[in-house]
Amino acid sequence: RKEVEQDPGPFNVPEGATVAFNCTYSNSASQSFFWYRQDCRKEPKLLMSVYSSGNEDGRFTAQLNRASQYISLLIRDSKLSDSATYLCVVNIELTGGGNKLTFGTGTQLKVEL
Amino acid sequence: DTGVSQNPRHKITKRGQNVTFRCDPISEHNRLYWYRQTLGQGPEFLTYFQNEAQLEKSRLLSDRFSAERPKGSFSTLEIQRTEQGDSAMYLCASSLAGQGGNEQFFGPGTRLTVL
Repeated sequence: RKEVEQDPGPFNVPEGATVAFNCTYSNSASQSFFWYRQDCRKEPKLLMSVYSSGNEDGRFTAQLNRASQYISLLIRDSKLSDSATYLCVVNIELTGGGNKLTFGTGTQLKVEL
Repeated sequence: DTGVSQNPRHKITKRGQNVTFRCDPISEHNRLYWYRQTLGQGPEFLTYFQNEAQLEKSRLLSDRFSAERPKGSFSTLEIQRTEQGDSAMYLCASSLAGQGGNEQFFGPGTRLTVL
């Protein structure tokens, strides 16, 4: 079983739609949680951190359920520019305080006219 | 450009050859990470440095792989006797302890193709 599981998609949605991505993780020792965005043939970039209380950044809302080991991302009013792969990421602290990021396979989103 | 830089951006090599990649982190970032990403997968952690000390290595990092960060600034990743299964994107990331939730900033990657 993979440590972080995501539906690979693709999700093809019309512009303006609301789309939700889900992710589950297996390591209960995971300490922090993120969504990264990766454009085709580019490096991953941090989209947002995810907190148990839920957090929002503009059109993006992230939620964490530690008991269920479940993470979600909601994108409202999707734009063409949101087309990308969204990576669910969990973090475990390493020796010396560093951070090992474990990535899911990513969910591909295509927003269409 | 003050971001993480990696060289070369692309490398094509024949099976059995040795290759070396370089990563220059964001200036003053004391933590440096290497990840590997194959097609259709997310990046996988390979190794981590705090300053010049290599503090963690994944079991993915076989004996053919070695990474160094001799002066606590740039890092190199060498793969000896490359195999076709080594073909991947090799990503470097850096972070500054205690800043911005320890956010890791990724470089553009080195894409390795082993023929």
